[in-house]
Amino acid sequence: GESVGLHLPTLSVQEGDNSIINCAYSNSASDYFIWYKQESGKGPQFIIDIRSNMDKRQGQRVTVLLNKTVKHLSLQIAATQPGDSAVYFCAENIGGNTPLVFGKGTRLSVIA
Amino acid sequence: DGGITQSPKYLFRKEGQNVTLSCEQNLNHDAMYWYRQDPGQGLRLIYYSQIVNDFQKGDIAEGYSVSREKKESFPLTVTSAQKNPTAFYLCASSIGGAATKELFFGEGSRLTVL
Repeated sequence: GESVGLHLPTLSVQEGDNSIINCAYSNSASDYFIWYKQESGKGPQFIIDIRSNMDKRQGQRVTVLLNKTVKHLSLQIAATQPGDSAVYFCAENIGGNTPLVFGKGTRLSVIA
Repeated sequence: DGGITQSPKYLFRKEGQNVTLSCEQNLNHDAMYWYRQDPGQGLRLIYYSQIVNDFQKGDIAEGYSVSREKKESFPLTVTSAQKNPTAFYLCASSIGGAATKELFFGEGSRLTVL
């Protein structure tokens, strides 16, 4: 089975509010994590990444938090906009020659 | 512009037919991947290739075949042995080795079996 999972399959957020998308991973050896955004009918696009030696990384309007103690990853989107509506996937690199493992995704809907 | 090109974007197939999905990249990436995506599910790995003339099965390789004769090309054939081929197929590449890191995705090919 997948080692990466999500707490909430769907999330509805009012425009302007902050969004938090969560991801649980089960492989303590994972050393790298990525968040992807996938708009309808398109391929996933890279948002932000974080290595296991960090617990926080910020981008433009996005922040990724990593809690290795409880194997939890979250993506925070500040001032959510309609253009943020998409499915968000987390992915982990468990090392060796194994490709990234993806979670099932969370659909974010922004209410105007 | 550099990127990954998948074709066709939409494809219809009759049962019992093989179809081939094209994936071309001009990013000079060594590794390429094929994923399948079904509604409500994440990305499931079909095949991947770390280098030319080499490829490995992913989690759901049955009913699919690939080739990697050129660095820039990684076509996927959906054979008649694939029992439920209707899905959205995504091709991706990465800089070097399957263990790396950021994947760059194409725009996908949607296959529908009639």
